[in-house]
Parts: sequence; structure tokens; C-alpha cells
Amino acid sequence: AQSVTQLGSHVSVSEGALVLLRCNYSSSVPPYLFWYVQYPNQGLQLLLKYTSAATLVKGINGFEAEFKKSETSFHLTKPSAHMSDAAEYFCAVSANRDDKIIFGKGTRLHILP
Amino acid sequence: DGGITQSPKYLFRKEGQNVTLSCEQNLNHDAMYWYRQDPGQGLRLIYYSQIVNDFQKGDIAEGYSVSREKKESFPLTVTSAQKNPTAFYLCASSSPSGGRTEAFFGQGTRLTVV
Repeated sequence: AQSVTQLGSHVSVSEGALVLLRCNYSSSVPPYLFWYVQYPNQGLQLLLKYTSAATLVKGINGFEAEFKKSETSFHLTKPSAHMSDAAEYFCAVSANRDDKIIFGKGTRLHILP
Repeated sequence: DGGITQSPKYLFRKEGQNVTLSCEQNLNHDAMYWYRQDPGQGLRLIYYSQIVNDFQKGDIAEGYSVSREKKESFPLTVTSAQKNPTAFYLCASSSPSGGRTEAFFGQGTRLTVV
């Protein structure tokens, strides 16, 4: 069965600094991978997705993620953090196009002024 | 505008009562999902449905029931058998056959047992 592990339930970075949120996945087949963002008391919004095309995926709001099969990782990065990036971020995996989507436990990103 | 509508946004239930959360989508998506969110637990899958009149249990289906009689609708009933139902519930849909493998989410329903 597929699963994801997000390292660090809370991450703090200074405004303007690099954002790095870690995600490792487990899947018996080439996975579909996703990153979502959630603001308080709202639903989730898709940031980006990997579906076996380019390994470096660019998303909205300046975020990107790189699929590394050898490391079973799909870490999310952003070169320069903004205060508006403060939110909770979820990594998710699906074993194939028609399979259920499984989420990690989330990482809350704090931006320090 | 196309999207997913969850209602109500806030719901209060007395212990021992069943309650039904509504989820409607006009995206013409085949697949629909229900997740439960608790602080520090992430999103846990309750039920999912890939086509009308068919659904599968997720990781925490006990105490919940669903139906999928129409493509647009996927209501979730929280029964009295669910011992700790207070949580934030999220409905989502996707369209794998349409190339949209990602899930689109509603705004959630916060259920509180009083």
C-alpha cells in the first residue's frame, strides 16, 4: 500500500529565506505525487503534481518540487519565503491514475519577520 | 462556477444522533472522496467512490456510511457508532479519466458533538 511521510510537523523560516518541506513516499508502482496547501478553516488547494513527466515540477506561488526515485522523495521548495506562505502543507500519493489519494500528516510552515 | 459545495459549514450533533454531511460537485468528476482531519493527524480517508453506485472503505470507515446514487452527490452519514466524531470533514473529487488525477476540495464541514 502506498504512504507518505512528511518530516517535521512544524517548520520555521525567515522571510526571504529558502523554504524546504520534506516528503518521502512509499509505493509499489510509479506513483502520482501531489503537494497541497491549506489555510485555516479552508479546504486544500493544489500547489503542484507529478505524473511521470518531468521530474522537476513547477507549481503556483513560486513553489516547485523534484521527484527523486532513488531517494523516494518529493520535497517542496521555494527560493524566497513570503509572509503569505504561512499555512499547512500536505504531501499526497496515489498508486495510479484511478487509485485513492493518501495524504501525509502535514507540515505547518511559519514565516518569521 | 464549477466546484465542490459542502454544507453546512458548521454542524452540531448531540451524542447518539446520526447526522448527514452534504457534498455536491458540478465538475462532472467520476471520483469522490471523504476525508477526516484532526490536528496533527493529517487527512485520513473515510470512503471513496470511483463511479456511481459503487464505493470503497478507506482507512477509518467504522461508524460512517455513504451513498453514491448520483454522479454529483456523495453524502456522508456519521452514525452513533462513531465514538469520536468531532472533526473537520473534507469532501473532494477527481477525474482520472479526464486527466485530472488531483483531488479538488470543498471548504469543509466542522462537526462538533455537544
